[in-house]
Amino acid sequence: QKEVEQNSGPLSVPEGAIASLNCTYSDRGSQSFFWYRQYSGKSPELIMFIYSNGDKEDGRFTAQLNKASQYVSLLIRDSQPSDSATYLCAARTGGGNKLTFGTGTQLKVEL
Amino acid sequence: DADVTQTPRNRITKTGKRIMLECSQTKGHDRMYWYRQDPGLGLRLIYYSFDVKDINKGEISDGYSVSRQAQAKFSLSLESAIPNQTALYFCATGGTGTYNEQFFGPGTRLTVL
Repeated sequence: QKEVEQNSGPLSVPEGAIASLNCTYSDRGSQSFFWYRQYSGKSPELIMFIYSNGDKEDGRFTAQLNKASQYVSLLIRDSQPSDSATYLCAARTGGGNKLTFGTGTQLKVEL
Repeated sequence: DADVTQTPRNRITKTGKRIMLECSQTKGHDRMYWYRQDPGLGLRLIYYSFDVKDINKGEISDGYSVSRQAQAKFSLSLESAIPNQTALYFCATGGTGTYNEQFFGPGTRLTVL
């Protein structure tokens, strides 16, 4: 079992809809979680991190963390074609020294 | 100027050649990391360093070595490149703050023939 798991997708949503991206993790000691956006051929770009149970909002993005169920999600409201990318979930593991990444979910926002 | 730079950006080489990938940063971060990315396998950690005197192996260090020449510079070497080392390589930096977020360089696309 991978430490951080994501559905590879692709997840297709129409423009203007809410995209919901999910991630589960196996290490209960993980303390903080990160969402990166990666366009094809480009480097990962940090868009949000969360460390407390509940929701954290930043513009059109909301990260949600449920430590009891060991999942993290990212909601993107009013999805735009420019949001089409692969979204990587990462967890801080190994006593806090490293990030472990999921394999990413490809999001396609269709006109 | 970019905070994290990598050179070269693209490299094609032959099996058995020695290759060095270089990373420099101006973010003032102590922690630096090397990852490779392969389709379907995601980002995998090769080596990481928390300061000039601290080097640690990641999950896939075999066939690779690193050098931390200064706080701002971290190089990855492939002593004898093989075709299954063809991948996208990323350098990342991170501070020592509470959340350990990492920031990535633009990547090096390496092809070993």
